[in-house]
Amino acid sequence: QPALTQPASVSGSPGQSIIISCTGTSSDVGGYNYVSWYQQHPGKAPKLMIYEVFKRPSGVSNRFSGSKSGNTASLTISGLQAEDEADYYCSSFTNSGTWVFGGGTKLTVL
Amino acid sequence: QVQLVEFGGGVVQPGRSLRLSCAASGFTFRSYGMHWVRQAPGKGLEWVAVISYDGSSEYYADSVKGRFTISRDNSKNMLYLQMNSLRLEDTAVYYCAKDWATCFTLDYWGQGSLVTVSS
Repeated sequence: QPALTQPASVSGSPGQSIIISCTGTSSDVGGYNYVSWYQQHPGKAPKLMIYEVFKRPSGVSNRFSGSKSGNTASLTISGLQAEDEADYYCSSFTNSGTWVFGGGTKLTVL
Repeated sequence: QVQLVEFGGGVVQPGRSLRLSCAASGFTFRSYGMHWVRQAPGKGLEWVAVISYDGSSEYYADSVKGRFTISRDNSKNMLYLQMNSLRLEDTAVYYCAKDWATCFTLDYWGQGSLVTVSS
């Protein structure tokens, strides 16, 4: 169950947009539309930001959006704000009936 | 509102056992699957195990299969993780999380319980 592949870090200035990629295989990301994204601030529990590739839970800003092409999912954050600085993790359901997370991406707002 | 509170963590020697508990409230516990996810110090999230709403099925990460057992008591709104043959690499904060069944995602998380395996 190797982890999904994410860039270790991304950065952007306030107001800009950034994209975080998440690459898996046909057994997980590519095989199901069950990709989720989580935001985690230091010392805090993860928070669900995106589910089923592109859907937003109630209360999550529409500055967060998700997409998928083949075995790669992406999280886009537009209009970057200081409070967006956090770690972001993707996750996918797999054909083994398990879940797998990405290695995480540290977002720095410059 | 949904609340998940983990407890039972602590320091344990390699090879020993420990049981984590998670108290759930604010939702109909017996209707939802539940997960355990862990995070080693300074590292990323690692999915550990899931149990169905009625406890009839369980799935585990390869790293814990055969050593950890997930269980639940729907009469007490409690989730458990029995951890046996603990290894140094099991040191982590363990989170319990609620499953959003139809969406195959984890929608609510507890604050975590730290397990330290050390001699």
